[in-house]
Amino acid sequence: EPEVTQTPSHQVTQMGQEVILRCVPISNHLYFYWYRQILGQKVEFLVSFYNNEISEKSEIFDDQFSVERPDGSNFTLKIRSTKLEDSAMYFCASSGQGAFEKLFFGSGTQLSVL
Amino acid sequence: SQKIEQNSEALNIQEGKTATLTCNYTNYSPAYLQWYRQDPGRGPVFLLLIRENEKEKRKERLKVTFDTTLKQSLFHITASQPADSATYLCAPSGGSYIPTFGRGTSLIVHP
Repeated sequence: EPEVTQTPSHQVTQMGQEVILRCVPISNHLYFYWYRQILGQKVEFLVSFYNNEISEKSEIFDDQFSVERPDGSNFTLKIRSTKLEDSAMYFCASSGQGAFEKLFFGSGTQLSVL
Repeated sequence: SQKIEQNSEALNIQEGKTATLTCNYTNYSPAYLQWYRQDPGRGPVFLLLIRENEKEKRKERLKVTFDTTLKQSLFHITASQPADSATYLCAPSGGSYIPTFGRGTSLIVHP
């Protein structure tokens, strides 16, 4: 069964550093998303991406965050200057049936900001 | 503001019984509601989607109901198995609403 692939599985960085989290969505999907989950808390929406542009974003997704689909297969989340509170599990997801319907999630990247 | 409530306490049941999980939402009217399963350290896995014009939906041992008047969805697992132990998330969505996940209910099925 097709799956969403995320790399790396773990990322440790120093506060203030830039990180790029990478995702390969399912190949025929059109909608792409980033969510995050702070340890012990709920899964929170960050941003959705469709037709090569951001379609929705949450209040969490401020100017420190950006997304890009640099080619036909990758989807990246960049955090420009990481803060301690950015430490979380970041999930990429994609869907093919419609915006926000039946999301397929990757296994996540655990980001630790020291 | 939009609010989603799921049983905060873990649900413990014996193998073979039916587990029933509740999702209540307030201050919005989603066009559909989704249920996901999440295992520790893993991403959510989609289980079922039910639309506002559907009262009930089934998939194998899973059944979901959606009552737009009560603003509630019930998620049932019949003949539960220890392998069903996980956290179950509901996500009201659709229309102008981005799917927002509830905190989830932890289900523990004892052999």
